[in-house]
Amino acid sequence: DSGVTQTPKHLITATGQRVTLRCSPRSGDLSVYWYQQSLDQGLQFLIQYYNGEERAKGNILERFSAQQFPDLHSELNLSSLELGDSALYFCASSVGALAGVRDTQYFGPGTRLTVL
Amino acid sequence: AQTVTQSQPEMSVQEAETVTLSCTYDTSESNYYLFWYKQPPSRQMILVIRQEAYKQQNATENRFSVNFQKAAKSFSLKISDSQLGDTAMYFCAFEYTDKLIFGTGTRLQVFP
Repeated sequence: DSGVTQTPKHLITATGQRVTLRCSPRSGDLSVYWYQQSLDQGLQFLIQYYNGEERAKGNILERFSAQQFPDLHSELNLSSLELGDSALYFCASSVGALAGVRDTQYFGPGTRLTVL
Repeated sequence: AQTVTQSQPEMSVQEAETVTLSCTYDTSESNYYLFWYKQPPSRQMILVIRQEAYKQQNATENRFSVNFQKAAKSFSLKISDSQLGDTAMYFCAFEYTDKLIFGTGTRLQVFP
């Protein structure tokens, strides 16, 4: 158990809908990262937050957004869902430090999203 | 651009034997971390081992060790005394500007 929690475990929804995935980092970690794992794209970085502020952005679609709250939990919002958004979405956390300082990320169990 | 390549899509090994998974990467950075993560059938991503690029010594964690060749940009994972529980996908990852760049993975099957 990494100490990172994600809810829900599974989510089944229809095209065009909006969903929210939730992540709680390990105790003491300030950085939260979101990754998408799909069959055709592999594991891809979406976005990172550090202590409530967006720090880095990857291949995140405009239909997707995220935020980190004062209690450090994070939410990933996916809207206007398409079939191709079906994937496993991971949250990871790390202690977080100055930008560019090396760190180790610990992953949550993931949320499996199925869009029908 | 930073890239990570795992050229072995699948490998198999007999229980108690040793297996080595390959990984190469491309970067112009000099200070970075490299990781191996394991993803068993449960789909959880589990950190196996970490190597800091500025350290000459290869990292070791129990039965897992790496062969880090910085000049060759090579980072292989050796699993000794393989166990059935080692059956999983193994991903090599490079940390770049706070994000991880993953290879495509190697599926390892351990046979009794």
